[in-house]
Amino acid sequence: AQKITQTQPGMFVQEKEAVTLDCTYDTSDPSYGLFWYKQPSSGEMIFLIYQGSYDQQNATEGRYSLNFQKARKSANLVISASQLGDSAMYFCAMREVHSGGSNYKLTFGKGTLLTVNP
Amino acid sequence: DSGVTQTPKHLITATGQRVTLRCSPRSGDLSVYWYQQSLDQGLQFLIHYYNGEERAKGNILERFSAQQFPDLHSELNLSSLELGDSALYFCASSVEEREVSYNEQFFGPGTRLTVL
Repeated sequence: AQKITQTQPGMFVQEKEAVTLDCTYDTSDPSYGLFWYKQPSSGEMIFLIYQGSYDQQNATEGRYSLNFQKARKSANLVISASQLGDSAMYFCAMREVHSGGSNYKLTFGKGTLLTVNP
Repeated sequence: DSGVTQTPKHLITATGQRVTLRCSPRSGDLSVYWYQQSLDQGLQFLIHYYNGEERAKGNILERFSAQQFPDLHSELNLSSLELGDSALYFCASSVEEREVSYNEQFFGPGTRLTVL
């Protein structure tokens, strides 16, 4: 079963508009972290925002905010005031913390390609 | 710039060959993770090293191996290469291993491997 699901292969948004990229996850661990990364066409992975499973408030980083709905197991990324430079692939990822475990790999979704139109 | 370096940036080789990808983590980071990004498999975890010791393996083929050296740099060795090994290989480093969910992984720029 997929642990991270991004149902939108592609999204379009007008410059200066807000856009929401969807992410749902599946885990039985009570402690986990959710990350969003941006991958422009140049290929590098850029960290955007993090949300911990115990965090009471939704994370925000500048124009990025994370709409965390724990009961629904969703962690949607909201980009406000889109810019042309936001055009990129966006990945949602989860880091599970197993008590006594030693592997903290990230599990990624398949990504959403965001295109910002002028 | 994440502070993680990877060399080479691009690598073109033939089937059956062997290559070595190199990663230098951020200063002070003890953990190194290797990921493979391909069109059909997406981004997949390969292997994790912490302070020189292998901690976990993911979907890593037996033809692939890795190690982390005392200076904490890591190498990923890919042998008997096949066309399907063509991918973008990332390493990522994080400051330390703890039982907390937040240890941001800083990604290197990746090595793009093309097997012809």
